[in-house]
Order: sequence, then C-alpha cells, then structure tokens
Amino acid sequence: GAVVSQHPSRVICKSGTSVKIECRSLDFQATTMFWYRQFPKQSLMLMATSNEGSKATYEQGVEKDKFLINHASLTLSTLTVTSAHPEDSSFYICSARDSSRTGPLPSYEQYFGPGTRLTVT
Amino acid sequence: EDQVTQSPEALRLQEGESSSLNCSYTVSGLRGLFWYRQDPGKGPEFLFTLYSAGEEKEKERLKATLTKKESFLHITAPKPEDSATYLCAAPGVDYKLSFGAGTTVTVRA
Repeated sequence: GAVVSQHPSRVICKSGTSVKIECRSLDFQATTMFWYRQFPKQSLMLMATSNEGSKATYEQGVEKDKFLINHASLTLSTLTVTSAHPEDSSFYICSARDSSRTGPLPSYEQYFGPGTRLTVT
Repeated sequence: EDQVTQSPEALRLQEGESSSLNCSYTVSGLRGLFWYRQDPGKGPEFLFTLYSAGEEKEKERLKATLTKKESFLHITAPKPEDSATYLCAAPGVDYKLSFGAGTTVTVRA
C-alpha cells in the first residue's frame, strides 16, 4: 500500500521549453501533495504544497510562475517547469499524504515518489 | 521553529558491525517522527513512524526508538544492501516535513 508514482522518471529538454511532471497516488487519496527539489548530496528542499481543488502554496524564493502546480484530482498533481533553463536541472520528487485514512487524528505520514531527473540542455 | 538534527553525517561500517544513528528534534507538538531510507537517484522510502516516547518499531535489521527529545535508528548486523542515506523527519501542523540532513551509511563486505 501507499504507493506514489512519478512520470517521467527522466527527461531531457532544450532550454526555453516546458516540461510537465506527474505525481500520482496509486492506492490512496491525497488531498495534499508536496513537491521537492534535491541537489546532489543535499537534503530535500520543499518547493510547494499542492492542495486538491485549490491553489498551491509556494515556499519563499520559489517562482510560482515558473513552477506551475495543478492538483485537479485526489490522486494526481502535476508540476510544470516553464521556460526551463539549465539551472532548473535537478531531481524533482513529490510526496503525498494519505487523506483517506480514518480515525480521530489526521495522518501526517508522507509517501514519496521515485523522483524525476530533469536535464535542461 | 521545528528543528531536526541528525548525526553522524556519515557512517562506515563493516558487514555485521552494529551501530546506531541519532535524530534529535525540537518540535511544538509531536505529530509523529518519521524515518526514511533514500538510495542514490531515488525518492525516500518510508520506514517507520513513531508517535510517543518509549515506542519501538522493527523491520528486518532496523529498529527505531523514540524518547522525548530524540530518536535512534539501530542497525543490527548490517549487510552491504543496507547502505543508503537515512533521513528522519517531523511534520508541522501544516503537514510540512522538517528533515534532518541525513546520515549516509556505507556497509563494506
């Protein structure tokens, strides 16, 4: 259980083009998903929180017009890197919180996707 | 502000040499303390959630424990396939995770 997928796993694009990355929760509903970026040998850096049916909230310093997030269903969030440049090359990882679990307390556990390696040439 | 600190940064072990990783935390209202394993070029894999002091959880050669201020991940008789970066994290009230910097474990055969 608690499987999160990402597509594509790797993508190479030319500078100036846009790239869309999908994040899906396969066996649970996720009203909240998160997008991270990770540089080599560094920890994960939270970019934004994706909320189903509403606008994403971005961390300080993250350009919302450059990193467009859409969370149109309970199992899918997408990150679009617009007008990509070589400095956007990175490892992008999403996570999802299982909002379908029942009980008196909300679940705070997050499950991560396998990541997407973006290379902009 | 929630803070999570891991030590050591790196750990080199001989196969079979047991050891422990430390995660100290300062959070306002613990909503769980999570341990993840991350292999190079992959997303973090969920290992454990601990909720209250005294709680312990085990999975194969790994055992996680929790006190009021820190958590330990014990690796018993590690094998080379246990080589990875181990991350601990604590969620805030907004569900955002505060991560430690991770401990990179290398197990030599």
